[in-house]
Amino acid sequence: GAGVSQTPSNKVTEKGKYVELRCDPISGHTALYWYRQSLGQGPEFLIYFQGTGAADDSGLPNDRFFAVRPEGSVSTLKIQRTERGDSAVYLCASSIGGGIDTQYFGPGTRLTVL
Amino acid sequence: EDKVVQSPLSLVVHEGDTVTLNCSYEVTNFRSLLWYKQEKKAPTFLFMLTSSGIEKKSGRLSSILDKKELFSILNITATQTGDSAIYLCAVAPGNQFYFGTGTSLTVIP
Repeated sequence: GAGVSQTPSNKVTEKGKYVELRCDPISGHTALYWYRQSLGQGPEFLIYFQGTGAADDSGLPNDRFFAVRPEGSVSTLKIQRTERGDSAVYLCASSIGGGIDTQYFGPGTRLTVL
Repeated sequence: EDKVVQSPLSLVVHEGDTVTLNCSYEVTNFRSLLWYKQEKKAPTFLFMLTSSGIEKKSGRLSSILDKKELFSILNITATQTGDSAIYLCAVAPGNQFYFGTGTSLTVIP
């Protein structure tokens, strides 16, 4: 069906607030990835889900960041006590089975923390 | 430490020119190398390379991998203004994909 979708497309919040970013992967894709991309940089890996479980969360920068994928489809990236340094584009990607399978990216959510 | 280095960082050419973008990498347990084109937000997939010396081709774009020298090149022939974008290289040692900072290509009419 459709490609990877992410909502919202833009999010402006104040320092210290909590935000949730949503990702809808391509139907049937079991692997889901979250990346963060700052201006002038390539995407930086945050977390990888295989099905419902976080198979690799080594890229999460600190314990303010958390992600879930309770039913193995939609995923939510949660950021607590946001800081100005969290401002970036948050990209989600999915692939059929993980591993070396090609990742297809969503349009991203641009997060701005004032 | 795993890393991916792309060069040049930026490039300005005229329509019709041919360009070569470079990606060198150092990763443990290499599995694949991917090229993406990023115009606005979402990177779009171009090529996946897993074997040395086998050229992948799609229209005016082609890419090849050298696993001995640990690099890949992306060639674009007869460039068009629509090729203007950031070209990202990513390497997968496992579940993660490590991205380079990208090459910003601008094609002038």
